[in-house]
Amino acid sequence: QITLKESGPTLVKPTQTLTLTCTFSGFSLSTSGVGVGWIRQPPGKALEWLALIYWDDDKRYSPSLKSRLTITKDTSKNQVVLTMTNMDPVDTATYYCAHSASSGPYDYWGQGTLVTVSS
Amino acid sequence: QLVLTQSPSASASLGASVKLTCTLSSGHSSYAIAWHQQQPEKGPRYLMKLNSDGSHSKGDGIPDRFSGSSSGAERYLTISSLQSEDEADYYCQTWGTGIHWVFGGGTKLTVL
Repeated sequence: QITLKESGPTLVKPTQTLTLTCTFSGFSLSTSGVGVGWIRQPPGKALEWLALIYWDDDKRYSPSLKSRLTITKDTSKNQVVLTMTNMDPVDTATYYCAHSASSGPYDYWGQGTLVTVSS
Repeated sequence: QLVLTQSPSASASLGASVKLTCTLSSGHSSYAIAWHQQQPEKGPRYLMKLNSDGSHSKGDGIPDRFSGSSSGAERYLTISSLQSEDEADYYCQTWGTGIHWVFGGGTKLTVL
């Protein structure tokens, strides 16, 4: 059974760096074709893809946010970490992590974590 | 640049069928997409992967009432025998190693 869970701060101040951790079970990020990605959703708005890391450490980023994002993995801990620098109130959103198999679409999602950016 | 276009809203009556559309931007009509459902106050749930030829593979536990089809650059999600719990936002998504991952703007389905 594949599960993913996001964790991190619920409140960050403008200009601070956000660090989110996705802890997963039921699969290994060392298996060929597997990836874990991050997606966010501002309140009342659509899903926005942020970043993805593959089993071979290949990384993909949203072009509009690439300069602010870093995605890393710790295979031994079954974790993927996303950092986003220079946070702004417009970055207030629910942040989700999700699993991708065989380089396919997201087929399992975490429950999401709400991050509010406010001074 | 690959863009996925979805109608903002749709509605249908309880027990009826509804067909939602996701349109791929010009030059990308051969791409597969995925459909996701997001019920109110919940996280997204993967429904299916849908290929350009209309073949599709569904996620775990997805009822037979959900099906997919394709025509040109259009990808469809059909929900038959609508139930109240089908009232949700539906998103399409593309993926790939050679392209950026993209979500459509979502369609809010109201079950009347």
